[in-house]
Amino acid sequence: QSALTQPASVSGSPGQSITISCTGTSSDVGGYNYVSWYQQHPGKAPKLMIYGVSNRPSGVSNRFSGSKSGNTASLTISGLQAEDEADYYCSSYTSSSTLYVFGTGTKVTVL
Amino acid sequence: EVQLLESGGGLVQPGGSLRLSCAASGFAFSNYAMSWVRQAPGKGLEWVSVISGSGGSTYYADSVRGRFTISRDDSKNTLYLQMNSLRAEDTAVYYCAKVTSNWNYFDYWGQGTLVTVSS
Repeated sequence: QSALTQPASVSGSPGQSITISCTGTSSDVGGYNYVSWYQQHPGKAPKLMIYGVSNRPSGVSNRFSGSKSGNTASLTISGLQAEDEADYYCSSYTSSSTLYVFGTGTKVTVL
Repeated sequence: EVQLLESGGGLVQPGGSLRLSCAASGFAFSNYAMSWVRQAPGKGLEWVSVISGSGGSTYYADSVRGRFTISRDDSKNTLYLQMNSLRAEDTAVYYCAKVTSNWNYFDYWGQGTLVTVSS
């Protein structure tokens, strides 16, 4: 089971919107609406930001939104803020014996 | 408040063994599946293993199957990961994570414990 493909880095200025892509296959992202996104600040544990493709857990800012088309899921951060600078990982349930697969990770830089 | 506290990490020689623990509080531990996820230094997240709330079902990543064993003690609200035949590539921060009731997401994570495999 290969990792889902994400861009290594994405950057934007404060107030702008950015989008992170997450490309998998029909055995994971494309086959299930079980895509999630995690935010990880340096030296910290990951935090669930989006589940079920587009749902936000309680307490997560509505500046974070998710979507999916075919085998590619996306995370959009609108109104970019300095505190959004972090690594972001997508994840999906997979029909393989591995059960779960993570993305390669994207470093978001706020210029 | 959900809290997950890992322990047991450290330096071990290649071929050695180590047991990680994760003490859970703030939720009905026995009702939820629990998982281990690791992150090699400077690398991304890698799912390692998951165990059902009853402990009756376990699953492993191909990279650790046959060497690692996940288990739980619901009387102690504690999750374990027994790691044998350790390799240099097992060096990572190991996180325990609570799995959502539908088994599809990891909604709470511990702070992690570092395992270093080196001679």
